[in-house]
Amino acid sequence: DAKTTQPPSMDCAEGRAANLPCNHSTISGNEYVYWYRQIHSQGPQYIIHGLKNNETNEMASLIITEDRKSSTLILPHATLRDTAVYYCIVRGPPLWRGGSEKLVFGKGMKLTVNP
Amino acid sequence: KAGVTQTPRYLIKTRGQQVTLSCSPISGHRSVSWYQQTPGQGLQFLFEYFSETQRNKGNFPGRFSGRQFSNSRSEMNVSTLELGDSALYLCASSLGDRGSPGIQYFGAGTRLSVL
Repeated sequence: DAKTTQPPSMDCAEGRAANLPCNHSTISGNEYVYWYRQIHSQGPQYIIHGLKNNETNEMASLIITEDRKSSTLILPHATLRDTAVYYCIVRGPPLWRGGSEKLVFGKGMKLTVNP
Repeated sequence: KAGVTQTPRYLIKTRGQQVTLSCSPISGHRSVSWYQQTPGQGLQFLFEYFSETQRNKGNFPGRFSGRQFSNSRSEMNVSTLELGDSALYLCASSLGDRGSPGIQYFGAGTRLSVL
């Protein structure tokens, strides 16, 4: 699985958009970008994933560059409850396509939302 | 639908003992993975099971073992506990079926303290 690079921390004001960057310059054609977050001492929570197109769900938007070497997770209106460690993970195809469901976590990025 | 359930939530053991942790996946999920989280090493993959078969194993000693039952429930066992085994043990489940996106959903974890 390709390695990802994230800044160690970021601050954001409550109510503003939080843009969380991730570099994955060695990503291969069949690898997906997944984002998870972990609020203190809880299990990681799935946020969103994508292959090459931009994706949006009720939690966030994922913007993947055309060359797929980087992506940005956007939390449109950050709240205090969004304070967490965010993990950007690159992973190959799922089990049924001969891959694996396992996730390789890096150090992640601590997002602090301030009032 | 109930989430991933891990029992017990907290456990205290002494060095040399063994421990068994349990995980009940989301109903209908057939893939279960286990992770260990420590402050020093972060989140590390232990094993992945699908249809009662271990599909992947992380880089952990043989003291760490697991299994999956026909109802997809899973257990992991750690024998001859060491102080360094103190950690949060997380279980995650995913559908694993053909066409599924391979999204893992995590439980709240079992916090193991080895004294």
